[in-house]
Amino acid sequence: DGGITQSPKYLFRKEGQNVTLSCEQNLNHDAMYWYRQDPGQGLRLIYYSQIVNDFQKGDIAEGYSVSREKKESFPLTVTSAQKNPTAFYLCAGTSNAGELFFGEGSRLTVL
Amino acid sequence: GIQVEQSPPDLILQEGANSTLRCNFSDSVNNLQWFHQNPWGQLINLFYIPSGTKQNGRLSATTVATERYSLLYISSSQTTDSGVYFCAVEQPGGTSYGKLTFGQGTILTVHP
Repeated sequence: DGGITQSPKYLFRKEGQNVTLSCEQNLNHDAMYWYRQDPGQGLRLIYYSQIVNDFQKGDIAEGYSVSREKKESFPLTVTSAQKNPTAFYLCAGTSNAGELFFGEGSRLTVL
Repeated sequence: GIQVEQSPPDLILQEGANSTLRCNFSDSVNNLQWFHQNPWGQLINLFYIPSGTKQNGRLSATTVATERYSLLYISSSQTTDSGVYFCAVEQPGGTSYGKLTFGQGTILTVHP
C-alpha cells in the first residue's frame, strides 16, 4: 500500500525520556512535515523539510528535533526539554500539486 | 502571521440536512485546502482550492480569494460526515513552500 506510515500509533513515556516517532512515505514527496494537535485545537507546525539533509523550524520547534537522511523518512524526536509533550503527532507530505497528505498519527502520553 | 478563522465552531445536523462551513483568512493566499478529521484522528484531504469552485460528490467548495474566504458545502449529510473540518492556508512568497496555517476547525455532528 502507498502512503504515509507513522509508528507507533500509541506511545507512553516517562517524564525525562526522549522518544522518537517514525514517519515513512513511499509517495516520492520531496517535502515532509510534522504537526502537533492538542485536544480541541487545530494543528501547529513543529518542523518541515523540503529536501533531503535540510529541515526548518516551524512555529513550535522547541523541545523537538528531526532528521532527513533519506527522502522516504522524516523521524521526530520528542526530547525531555519539551515541557508538555502529551499530544497527537501528525506527519504529512506534499504532492507536486501542493496537496498535503497525512499519516494516521501517533498519540504520545507522558506518564 | 496569517490568521485563519473558521465558523461555526460547532454544528449539529440531522441526517439528510445541508450545511455550509466558512473559512476567513486575513491575508493573500496561494494555497487553501480543506480537510476532514474522522473520530479516529485521520486527516483526509478534501479539496485543494486556492480559488474557484470544485465539487466531489456531496461536497463542494468555493474560494473567493479577493474577499479572503472559502466555503465548504455538505449536502444530504450522513453520519459518516461527522468529525472536524479544517481549513488551512499558505501565504505566497518566501521559502516556506507548503507551510500551511490551520484554522481551529468546525466540529460537525450528524445524527441519524
